[in-house]
Amino acid sequence: SQTIHQWPATLVQPVGSPLSLECTVEGTSNPNLYWYRQAAGRGLQLLFYSVGIGQISSEVPQNLSASRPQDRQFILSSKKLLLSDSGFYLCAWSVTSGANVLTFGAGSRLTVL
Amino acid sequence: AQSVTQPDIHITVSEGASLELRCNYSYGATPYLFWYVQSPGQGLQLLLKYFSGDTLVQGIKGFEAEFKRSQSSFNLRKPSVHWSDAAEYFCAVGAVYNFNKFYFGSGTKLNVKP
Repeated sequence: SQTIHQWPATLVQPVGSPLSLECTVEGTSNPNLYWYRQAAGRGLQLLFYSVGIGQISSEVPQNLSASRPQDRQFILSSKKLLLSDSGFYLCAWSVTSGANVLTFGAGSRLTVL
Repeated sequence: AQSVTQPDIHITVSEGASLELRCNYSYGATPYLFWYVQSPGQGLQLLLKYFSGDTLVQGIKGFEAEFKRSQSSFNLRKPSVHWSDAAEYFCAVGAVYNFNKFYFGSGTKLNVKP
């Protein structure tokens, strides 16, 4: 069966520090991968999605970037965090064809101080 | 433009009462429709999905939803709410012809009174 792992679960970082959140999927090949952000009291905002290694689409211009160095690995990064980057970050995956369902990881809580 | 609207930010129901959470979508093509549930500090869990066929779909935990194309709605229902149903619920739409994108509503927080 497929599983999705996301880490770290909780992160407290000072303003201006770098960020790296990692996500890996097991039990499937060539998945679509996604990063969402959930700010307090708001819904889910799609940040990035990827349909293959090295292929990243950005939905919202911001202080973040994403990379997909391996087929089942998706990384969310920032060189310098802003206060507004605080939130709950969710990685998700789906199959690349046919009827799609998003499956989410457990999330990473980022607090920027 | 694609959008999903959940008009109710918070809903409180008594345990044992029935529940209906509203969802309206705007999408220019045939959509896939989903309901997810999120417990505090957790990821999202799929409750049910609609791809095609019967417009009344059954999900986990006793939930069901009905797709009404004429109203662009996909409301979630449960006949008798349990205290463990307290959570946040998200409606989402995915594109049939663009498998890469899913759009979410802003969520409805459900409180259950004992």
